[in-house]
Amino acid sequence: DGGITQSPKYLFRKEGQNVTLSCEQNLNHDAMYWYRQDPGQGLRLIYYSQIVNDFQKGDIAEGYSVSREKKESFPLTVTSAQKNPTAFYLCASSPGIYNEQFFGPGTRLTVL
Amino acid sequence: AQSVAQPEDQVNVAEGNPLTVKCTYSVSGNPYLFWYVQYPNRGLQFLLKYITGDNLVKGSYGFEAEFNKSQTSFHLKKPSALVSDSALYFCAVRDYSWGKLQFGAGTQVVVTP
Repeated sequence: DGGITQSPKYLFRKEGQNVTLSCEQNLNHDAMYWYRQDPGQGLRLIYYSQIVNDFQKGDIAEGYSVSREKKESFPLTVTSAQKNPTAFYLCASSPGIYNEQFFGPGTRLTVL
Repeated sequence: AQSVAQPEDQVNVAEGNPLTVKCTYSVSGNPYLFWYVQYPNRGLQFLLKYITGDNLVKGSYGFEAEFNKSQTSFHLKKPSALVSDSALYFCAVRDYSWGKLQFGAGTQVVVTP
């Protein structure tokens, strides 16, 4: 898991509530990513950021939002618009978008 | 569009036997290929990558992978499996022109003593 931390490890949310997942890296990487993992579906890209103050939508961005105000931080907000938010969320970073990615330990979100 | 297929949901192997996890890919240009491993409730760990050069790539923990351009495959191999190799393995591909990684669905490896 290296120098990428995600918090909390487990998160429970009531329907209709927004929740923010934290991702911090001390690897001095420019690029950061958010993935969602569901059983049997591999990883799907939610958002990615190549540099500070810039980010792009991935394959499944609807119902999610991000910010990249600092190089080391890339928080993900799961909004009430996300219809099926229960999943395992993984944050990753890389020196640039053409390098291998390094992953954090993940946050398991459960909507009650 | 790029895609990755891992045709086996699960691979069972006895400890000490060779382990192979299959991966085939489709990209429009030259592929960048990666293997990652995931232990339960953990993030993914990078094992190895193919960018260019030798078709046989050596990685972490005794794993290696063979790139076969004609068969568009990048199978992961280990000569002698350990019980501790039991985990979920993901193959990923990236097209040279775009940094997004496309992941396969994953293959669960079970190594029995």
